[in-house]
Formats: sequence, structure tokens, C-alpha cells
Amino acid sequence: DIVMTQTPLSLSVTPGQSASISCRSSQSLLHSDGNTFVYWYLQRPGQSPQLLLYDVSSRFSGVPDRFSGSGSGTDFTLRISRVEAADVGVYYCMQGIELPTFGQGTTVEIK
Amino acid sequence: EVQVVESGGGLVKPGRPLRLSCTASGFMFGDYAMSWFRQAPGKGLEWVGFIRSKAHGGTTEYAASVKGRFAISRDDSKSIAYLQMNSLKIEDTAVYYCTDGTYGHWGQGTLVTVSS
Repeated sequence: DIVMTQTPLSLSVTPGQSASISCRSSQSLLHSDGNTFVYWYLQRPGQSPQLLLYDVSSRFSGVPDRFSGSGSGTDFTLRISRVEAADVGVYYCMQGIELPTFGQGTTVEIK
Repeated sequence: EVQVVESGGGLVKPGRPLRLSCTASGFMFGDYAMSWFRQAPGKGLEWVGFIRSKAHGGTTEYAASVKGRFAISRDDSKSIAYLQMNSLKIEDTAVYYCTDGTYGHWGQGTLVTVSS
């Protein structure tokens, strides 16, 4: 199985500031078709996970452009600009190149 | 609007079976794979398994933790995916979610509690 390792595991952010979450995979997530199957989710307290980004950096429908993704191969980053109270929750990265696996989750709170 | 709704959860004794349903709408159900995930209380997300579309053979894949005990099926005429869970264990206690093949649309989840 591909292991996904997220850092940090928790983050406290001042509203209006930026935050970054890193996700490292145990093997390359670059598919032979040229796509890189990395997904980022936010699970707000008491809610289902919601997809933020797919294919590393493509924003899912309705996701604000404050959320952006980057990376290649085995190293990926989710960046949240101008953090708001609504961004509180647990963020997960997931790989989809093989049978899906998730990172441990990063808890984001507001200072 | 794409929607998926899980149902069928509840309290079940260890060793007993339970079947979950995932009813989808708003997209061409038969054209997509459907996946099941779960989240144990206070834990992270875990993929359970998926079923491919009929065009891709309708075959299934499962996580090692449930292989041989769980089975996913689909009824394209009703836009429903099923998760048949047999020989349930206490550690199968979780909220179970289904998603469409894009992994983008999740339901609200259904809670399965395995306890004697």
C-alpha cells in the first residue's frame, strides 16, 4: 500500500494569514497517462469530507481560489490563503493512483 | 445536482451481517465506479472498496481489512450501490460513506455500530 504522510498534524492559524499542509507519498503518484492522482479534503466538525482539490491542483466545484495545491512525484502541498473561521477542521490528502489511501489528517484551528 | 445518500446503518452484533445502500442521483450512475469509505469514531478516513462501472467490467476491489467479508454490488436500473457486510467485527464500527467515481460527492454517512 502507498503510505501518505502529512505534516504538520495540527496547525493554529491567525485569521487572514496563510497556512500550508504537506503530504508525502511512499512512491510516485504520477500515472503513465500523465495525471497525478492526489486529492485534498476538508472535514469540518460533524460533517462529511468535502473535496477541495483533485489531480494535485484542480479545484472542485464551488471551492474558493483561496485553496491551492502544488507538487509532483511524491511531495505535495495544500495552501490556504487568507484563512477564515470556516476553514477549521481536519484536512486529508488521498492518493488515487492505486487503491486509495489517506494521510493521517491535519487539524486546523483558528487562533 | 449530484447527490448520494447512504442508508441501512444501525446496531448489529458481532458476527452478524448488515447491508448498506447508497442511492445516487444527478448523474449517469451506470457510467461511474462507486466507492465506499469509512471512519471509525475519532479516527481518520479509510477506503473500504469500490465497484467499477459495467463498461469496465463491474469488478470490485477491497481493502485488506474487509476482503472476504464485505461485498459491493450495484443496481444500475435503480442507481443504487450496496455494501454487504458479513462476519462483522467490533472494529468495523464506523460511519460509512459512499462516493461517486470522481471521489467528489460524498453522502452524509450512515453509522454502523458492532457491539454485543
